[in-house]
This record gives sequence, C-alpha cells and structure tokens, in this order.
Amino acid sequence: DAGVTQSPTHLIKTRGQQVTLRCSPKSGHDTVSWYQQALGQGPQFIFQYYEEEERQRGNFPDRFSGHQFPNYSSELNVNALLLGDSALYLCASSQLNFDSPLHFGNGTRLTVT
Amino acid sequence: QQPVQSPQAVILREGEDAVINCSSSKALYSVHWYRQKHGEAPVFLMILLKGGEQKGHDKISASFNEKKQQSSLYLTASQLSYSGTYFCGTEYNYGQNFVFGPGTRLSVLP
Repeated sequence: DAGVTQSPTHLIKTRGQQVTLRCSPKSGHDTVSWYQQALGQGPQFIFQYYEEEERQRGNFPDRFSGHQFPNYSSELNVNALLLGDSALYLCASSQLNFDSPLHFGNGTRLTVT
Repeated sequence: QQPVQSPQAVILREGEDAVINCSSSKALYSVHWYRQKHGEAPVFLMILLKGGEQKGHDKISASFNEKKQQSSLYLTASQLSYSGTYFCGTEYNYGQNFVFGPGTRLSVLP
C-alpha cells in the first residue's frame, strides 16, 4: 500500500519564478493538506483540499494556490517566489470526518536563490 | 494560535523516561502527536480526543487534561529509535486544520 508520495524531492528556483509541487495521497484518503516547514520549526498550515475544493486556508498570501484532481492528487503552486519561501513543503493526506490522523509525504525541499 | 511545547529539548540515556507537554490557550477538540526524524516526514504516534478517548501504542502513552487544555506525551524506557523531534498538532474544532507546536527535540544516547 503506497503512502503519500511527493515530487520533486528537491527544487532550486530563482526569486520571482513560479513553482509547482505535486502530491499523491495514501490510498483511501480523500483529503490533502499542505504545510510549510521552515528549518527547526513546526509545520505551518497552508491549505486543505477536499472534493476538489479548497476547504480551509491558513495565513498565507494569494501567491500560494492549489488544486485537487478527481483522483484526489493535489498540486501546490507558488508564484513570484521570495527568498523566504525557501522551506520544506509537506503534503499530508487523511480521511475527512473520521478523526483521521495525517499521513505525511517526505516533502519537497524548495530553495529560492 | 500555536500551542506551546515544553521542554524545547531533552537528552536522555537509553532506558530513561521522558514527558513532553503541549499547552493551548484555546479549548481543544483533539491533540495529535507526531515524531519527525531528521530529513524524514513526520509520523503519527497518537491521537487524544476531547472526552477522554485515547489511542496509542507500545511504550508511548499520552494524556489530555481538558481543564488545563494540556496534553502530555509519556515515553517510557526510551530506546535509541525514540530520538527525533516531537510535535503536537492541535485541532480546535472537529474537522478544522491542525496547528502544530514548535516541537521538542529528544535525543536518546546509548
């Protein structure tokens, strides 16, 4: 049973560029959440997708957007990259309405230069 | 609002016990505990639900004090594999997103 998979694992971008990160949830999960984790800190909630709609959003600017596809996979897009966007981006899947724990992928390490 | 975790870091010898605390200033619906090893994804350990229902495994247990809005994670007879950073994730209402604490770094030495 495949867990949560994310791609790519590492990415280097230049300020002002745009990036797309991808996530495939664990089998049987219908909800995908994205987190940003700076070095030495806890994961910060970006947004959550369920039934192809953004269900909840954290305190992140509109430069951060996402999408969920009919097969429950998801993308995170970040426009106009800033140096401060450098972080580990974690995708977590779960089942809505079942007190379900989050299953995390190994993350995408984004470096903005 | 981010929960507070204490201690920030702890160093143990193999076989010793540890307690990690997670406190919230807001009423909680649930608390989840995760462990993250360096360079790896956070891994789910335990969920504590409002009303006292507890889940867990092995030599790791936890409590949830609704009066204090505090959860404590208990690691007994620690093993080398317990090393990592422990995060609590708090859920203020059912179905709401998790807010993670800053983490507690646990190092278990032989």
